[in-house]
Amino acid sequence: DTGVSQDPRHKITKRGQNVTFRCDPISEHNRLYWYRQTLGQGPEFLTYFQNEAQLEKSRLLSDRFSAERPKGSFSTLEIQRTEQGDSAMYLCASSGTDYNEQFFGPGTRLTVL
Amino acid sequence: SQKIEQNSEALNIQEGKTATLTCNYTNYSPAYLQWYRQDPGRGPVFLLLIRENEKEKRKERLKVTFDTTLKQSLFHITASQPADSATYLCALDISGGYQKVTFGTGTKLQVIP
Repeated sequence: DTGVSQDPRHKITKRGQNVTFRCDPISEHNRLYWYRQTLGQGPEFLTYFQNEAQLEKSRLLSDRFSAERPKGSFSTLEIQRTEQGDSAMYLCASSGTDYNEQFFGPGTRLTVL
Repeated sequence: SQKIEQNSEALNIQEGKTATLTCNYTNYSPAYLQWYRQDPGRGPVFLLLIRENEKEKRKERLKVTFDTTLKQSLFHITASQPADSATYLCALDISGGYQKVTFGTGTKLQVIP
C-alpha cells in the first residue's frame, strides 16, 4: 500500500500523559499536514510542513502540541499533558508540489480519560 | 469573520435522483475550492477541485460549480446510489495557492434504495 499511513490507529490515555503519533506520507510528497477532527466537524488545520520545514502552525495549537518532520519524510505529532478536550481524530495528509489535492491517512483516534 | 457553511442537516434522497450539496463562504477569496468525501472512521478522500476562474467541473457522475460572486459552490451527484452515502466536505484554499485549505463542517448524504 503506497498511501498515507498513521500509527497508532487508536490511542487511549489518561489525562496528564504524553502521547506521540506518527505519519508516513506518500514517498514523493514534499508537503505534510496535520489536522484534528471532532464529531460533526470538518478537519481543523493544525500545522504544515514543506520538506522538513514547519511553515505554519495554527494559533489553536497550544504549546502542549509539537510536530516534527526531521528528514522531510515521516512526521510525528506529540501532545504533552493531555487533557480531555484533546480527544479527537488526528488526521495526517500529504501532497506534492504539482497538484493541490491532499491525500489523507486513516487517522489516529485519541481518547483521553 | 471568515466562515465556510455547509448544510449541517443530513440530506436524504431517493436512489437514482440527483443530490445537490451547497457550500457557502464569506470573507474569503479562495484560489480554488475542493470537495472531499468522508466515510465514518476514515480520512477524507479527494473528489474534485475547481479553480476561481472555472465555472463548472465534471467527473463521471459528479459536477461542481463555483460562483465567486455569490461565494458559493454546488456539488451534484447524478443518478445517486446507496454507495454514495457519506459525508461530503468542501475545502477552500486560503493561502493563495500554497495548499493550506480550510474545511467546512460537511453534509451527510443518505441515498435511500
